[in-house]
Amino acid sequence: NAGVTQTPKFQVLKTGQSMTLQCAQDMNHNSMYWYRQDPGMGLRLIYYSASEGTTDKGEVPNGYNVSRLNKREFSLRLESAAPSQTSVYFCASSASWQEYFGPGTRLLVL
Amino acid sequence: AQSVTQLDSQVPVFEEAPVELRCNYSSSVSVYLFWYVQYPNQGLQLLLKYLSGSTLVKGINGFEAEFNKSQTSFHLRKPSVHISDTAEYFCAVSSNAGGTSYGKLTFGQGTILTVHP
Repeated sequence: NAGVTQTPKFQVLKTGQSMTLQCAQDMNHNSMYWYRQDPGMGLRLIYYSASEGTTDKGEVPNGYNVSRLNKREFSLRLESAAPSQTSVYFCASSASWQEYFGPGTRLLVL
Repeated sequence: AQSVTQLDSQVPVFEEAPVELRCNYSSSVSVYLFWYVQYPNQGLQLLLKYLSGSTLVKGINGFEAEFNKSQTSFHLRKPSVHISDTAEYFCAVSSNAGGTSYGKLTFGQGTILTVHP
């Protein structure tokens, strides 16, 4: 039982490049989330998916897109990366009002 | 809309001393309350949660928190800390309105607890 897994663990991009962050969970949870963590700002919700086939914007969705590929997988795409998107990205899934977090992806945009 | 304020960005404390990490929230609807811990270079792990019932909630690793509705607070306490408690702690709230079984979390800014020998 791996819980929530994220790939890659680290990534360096140049401004304007695109990339997709992958997330998968094996706990059969309906709800999945993407957060970004920046120093002194806690975690902020980017997008969430309440169930397979649905996605909704969170607090800071600009510059991102998501895909709920199936019940297990929820990906986050940066179409044209900007230095302001340098951050640590966490994926989470939830059941019974408890969220389970992945280990994070550390992204640096130059 | 809801918000969370963690009143201390950093809390230094000696080993075996008690500690309190303060959290206040604001919301126009009823909320569920959480404390998460993040060890260096790791994801977040749930310490404890308040959904209903007793306002004193006990969590893992000897931590507890008390929900105070009148003061809109959910402070985290531990009577005797260990070096291994050094980490960043996040308070979070989720609206329980609408009968949904999931909740989008709103996090505080985090409190870095450093335990010194």
